[in-house]
Amino acid sequence: SYELRQPPSVSVSPGQTATITCSGENLGKTYATWYQQRPGQSPVLVIYQDNKRPSGIPERFSGSNSGDTATLTISGTQAIDEADYYCQAWDASTYVFGSGTRVTVL
Amino acid sequence: QEQLVESGGASVKPGGSLRLSCVASGFTFSDYYMSWIRQAPGKGLEWVSYITPRSTLTKYADSAEGRFIITRDNAKNSVFLQIDSLRAEDTAVYYCARAGASSHWYFDLWGRGTPVTVSS
Repeated sequence: SYELRQPPSVSVSPGQTATITCSGENLGKTYATWYQQRPGQSPVLVIYQDNKRPSGIPERFSGSNSGDTATLTISGTQAIDEADYYCQAWDASTYVFGSGTRVTVL
Repeated sequence: QEQLVESGGASVKPGGSLRLSCVASGFTFSDYYMSWIRQAPGKGLEWVSYITPRSTLTKYADSAEGRFIITRDNAKNSVFLQIDSLRAEDTAVYYCARAGASSHWYFDLWGRGTPVTVSS
């Protein structure tokens, strides 16, 4: 079955850029999606179709997808961005989630 | 506003059954794919099942095949998940989620979840 791999954790200083990767075979041939999940809350869509932001998501969130790797970038990271981030793709008519990355803002 | 509200989670013994419900409001429910996604304590997200707008197709994760049944009632703006022969590894928060309008490849609306605990 298809797998998406993410680093378990990423640390970033306030105001700096956080980069979260998601790796899967030929991931660039399908759309990548990203969700943010703050502690005790439901996931929230932050990036869809590789690089589109839903209404209400700050411009500091951006995405890209090429080859085997999709990337979520948080520019000017703020304390409120501390959360778990999950990538997700559509493969063989099913949904696949990555293992998740905890972003810590130090 | 657009909303999904789950219910039906409970603490049950292994081998038991549960029927989870999710009621939608604020949008045309019958236009959307709907899914159930679960999250075990301290773990990541796991997609469980989806159903197409007119119930013409259902799909299950390998872990759910044979014990889980997803259904919907568009007249009641509701989607359901029947879980039989519950196991300890089914312990999780179960989220109801709506797939995107322009594409069903992602989830653009999530409920708050309903907890299921399977323990003797």
